[in-house]
Amino acid sequence: LAKTTQPISMDSYEGQEVNITCSHNNIATNDYITWYQQFPSQGPRFIIQGYKTKVTNEVASLFIPADRKSSTLSLPRVSLSDTAVYYCLVQGTYKYIFGTGTRLKVLA
Amino acid sequence: EAQVTQNPRYLITVTGKKLTVTCSQNMNHEYMSWYRQDPGLGLRQIYYSMNVEVTDKGDVPEGYKVSRKEKRNFPLILESPSPNQTSLYFCASSFGENEQFFGPGTRLTVL
Repeated sequence: LAKTTQPISMDSYEGQEVNITCSHNNIATNDYITWYQQFPSQGPRFIIQGYKTKVTNEVASLFIPADRKSSTLSLPRVSLSDTAVYYCLVQGTYKYIFGTGTRLKVLA
Repeated sequence: EAQVTQNPRYLITVTGKKLTVTCSQNMNHEYMSWYRQDPGLGLRQIYYSMNVEVTDKGDVPEGYKVSRKEKRNFPLILESPSPNQTSLYFCASSFGENEQFFGPGTRLTVL
């Protein structure tokens, strides 16, 4: 399974768009990319999942280039409540490898 | 309410004393998994189960056992806990490889 690499931390201001990139150089053909959000003392919560190109839902977008060696989670107009740790996950046939997460801090 | 529950939420124990952390889901999910979370290491998969009586090792299975006798339950067993198993444990469930629903976590301390 492909290991993932993410920035350890990021700061942003309220109202800005935030892009968090995850590197997964050894991703396999059948692997999916999934992103989770985690608040302190809680379990992770699903944000978005994709295989290639672009996926959008009501809270985020996920961009995956053609070579699929990286992916970018885009959070539009963040608020203070988006302060959390964001995990990139490569999913391969039920065995899952989470990255170490990106700690996003949204400032007023 | 659809949920994954774990018990206990907090546990302090001593080295070598067998313990079980229970996990139960009410969403009829086939897939269930256990993770441990340690500072700086993110979430690491311990064991997973694709359905009743079907389990397999994740990334860090040493020192743990699991069983899946019923679809809704997936207990994590530590036969002889050691201090390096002090961690925050999460159980999760899903339909296939779709969105995983995580439990609230169990904070275990082994002295």
